[in-house]
Amino acid sequence: EVQLVESGGGLVQPGRSLRLSCAASGFTFDDYAMHWVRQAPGKGLEWVSGISWNSGTSGYADSVKGRFTISRDNAKNSLYLQMNSLRPEDTAFYFCARGQYSTTFGDIWGLGTLVTVS
Amino acid sequence: QSVLTQPPSASGTPGQTVTISCSGSRSNIRRNPVNWYQQLPGSAPKLLIYTNNQRPSGVPDRFSDSKSDSSASLAISGLQSEDEGDYYCAVWDDSRNGWVFGGGTKLTVL
Repeated sequence: EVQLVESGGGLVQPGRSLRLSCAASGFTFDDYAMHWVRQAPGKGLEWVSGISWNSGTSGYADSVKGRFTISRDNAKNSLYLQMNSLRPEDTAFYFCARGQYSTTFGDIWGLGTLVTVS
Repeated sequence: QSVLTQPPSASGTPGQTVTISCSGSRSNIRRNPVNWYQQLPGSAPKLLIYTNNQRPSGVPDRFSDSKSDSSASLAISGLQSEDEGDYYCAVWDDSRNGWVFGGGTKLTVL
């Protein structure tokens, strides 16, 4: 079964760090770019970051640039999001999603992990 | 304030056709294909439409999209109660070098 499972969320104080992981299974991980998308409770979707299949290209939303770092380990079929200098406005469900880098993404999504900054 | 503008709500009765608009700019919708997502209550988003009206396997052809200049629209025909949820447009923005989403449209089936 094609699946993405996020982990690493939790309650963290402002200014602290957190690392999210996304474990992929059921497909050839390095055939795809990967993305992180977040959703504050009761709010809309916001693209956070994306990374190409070979880590050669990555990008960030302005709201997280300089604080968050996306990475992947194709040998471990895993995607990561290192989040530093967390702010209350970073509180959200964080989803990982599979796709291409700049044409389409999201044919597969994880269920999300909740990050609360308080 | 989202880069892409969607109406906050839409509604229709079963069997009707509902259209949801998504307005952008020359750096995003005019140049790049629009993706549409459906998010049912308590669930992760689901890709509905991508790259010039293509649908992933399992998405019925009741869902279709169109694009004109810097705007796009999602049409849902033969509206069903299970279509009730939130709908988002998203597109790559060449100026921002990243993806941008619309604010979402809450669809109610009356």
